Amino acid sequence: AQSVTQLDSQVPVFEEAPVELRCNYSSSVSVYLFWYVQYPNQGLQLLLKYLSGSTLVKGINGFEAEFNKSQTSFHLRKPSVHISDTAEYFCAVSDRTEAAGNKLTFGGGTRVLVKP
Amino acid sequence: EAGVAQSPRYKIIEKRQSVAFWCNPISGHATLYWYQQILGQGPKLLIQFQNNGVVDDSQLPKDRFSAERLKGVDSTLKIQPAKLEDSAVYLCASSRLGNSYNEQFFGPGTRLTVL
Repeated sequence: AQSVTQLDSQVPVFEEAPVELRCNYSSSVSVYLFWYVQYPNQGLQLLLKYLSGSTLVKGINGFEAEFNKSQTSFHLRKPSVHISDTAEYFCAVSDRTEAAGNKLTFGGGTRVLVKP
Repeated sequence: EAGVAQSPRYKIIEKRQSVAFWCNPISGHATLYWYQQILGQGPKLLIQFQNNGVVDDSQLPKDRFSAERLKGVDSTLKIQPAKLEDSAVYLCASSRLGNSYNEQFFGPGTRLTVL
């Protein structure tokens, strides 16, 4: 079984400032790691994913995340946010060994509010 | 390519009533998922189908929730009778079937309010 902890429930940030959203996970097996974004009244959209290879992953809209196996973390960063980045962000994991599953376990979410 | 379709988008019912949600996955996607997202929480998997068979329904409250995926395409999630704590957004997702990672694509969700 896996669990995901997002350490910040809300992150206010000024426009053009950097932002970091923290995510830690717990799993007894190897996992895939994901960040999703959810805009108001919309479904989830995949921002980026870590499957294997380089631990620094770049995604859409200028976001990037770094996988740290020793710290079991997958923090999301953006060097300069825009008003349009106001949304809720979810970290998720999937059991790498589930060949037919890809079932996602989500964290509780971090609400980002970008202020002008 | 059309995305995952869900209907209705919003539903308000009184407790003890029944309700049903519909999902049409992306064409060719064999795997379909239903998630429950309570306000302020991350989505939680309720049930996963592979074609028309159930892969995982360990977190589905089977005394009141049921789901089916006839013919391995569309799916319906039903709640009967509804409780106040069922108020949530119900998300449907679909993915291709394979032995490696397959991205899940999410629909817009159905927001259920139980009064």
